[in-house]
Amino acid sequence: DADVTQTPRNRITKTGKRIMLECSQTKGHDRMYWYRQDPGLGLQLIYYSFDVKDINKGEISDGYSVSRQAQAKFSLSLESAIPNQTALYFCATSDYAGELFFGEGSRLTVL
Amino acid sequence: AQSVTQPDIHITVSEGASLELRCNYSYGATPYLFWYVQSPGQGLQLLLKYFSGDTLVQGIKGFEAEFKRSQSSFNLRKPSVHWSDAAEYFCAVGAIDAGKSTFGDGTTLTVKP
Repeated sequence: DADVTQTPRNRITKTGKRIMLECSQTKGHDRMYWYRQDPGLGLQLIYYSFDVKDINKGEISDGYSVSRQAQAKFSLSLESAIPNQTALYFCATSDYAGELFFGEGSRLTVL
Repeated sequence: AQSVTQPDIHITVSEGASLELRCNYSYGATPYLFWYVQSPGQGLQLLLKYFSGDTLVQGIKGFEAEFKRSQSSFNLRKPSVHWSDAAEYFCAVGAIDAGKSTFGDGTTLTVKP
């Protein structure tokens, strides 16, 4: 089983719908992150959490919200999806040594 | 503010040839530097990282990178490329809070038979 698991892997939805992307990890790391990847633009940080009671905005948090339900679970929500939120979303964890461990990604298409 | 530039969007090399992917960074202090690889349909995987010490770092899959402070560069190299190396490569710079690293836009590597 993967250390960082994202569900769903693919999702097509319509404008205005609420979407939740879920992430769970078995690494035992306190730190979890949500990134967005657009073609040719690298990765942009949406939100990050250093422990269950700590949530921080990243570079592009507008239109997104997160919930850290447990050390191992970190979900990303789009309250009212819009087409320019069509992207590949990655969850990641890290320890204090600096390396990021990524899930396999969730491809979201908003029509 | 920190930033990363990967000047080459796309590179094509022949199998067995050497490879160098360029990365230039801007950072106000001693940087923590990373190279990640993303194979199609996969998440990113760490190839190597530099925190301090020896400026030539070895990574997985036969890759190495050299930190040059005077040039603000952290170029990735491999002496002989394999077809399985075809992927997208990302350079990143940051502090010990790795998740707050800044990523470059990536370089896509194509390997010709």
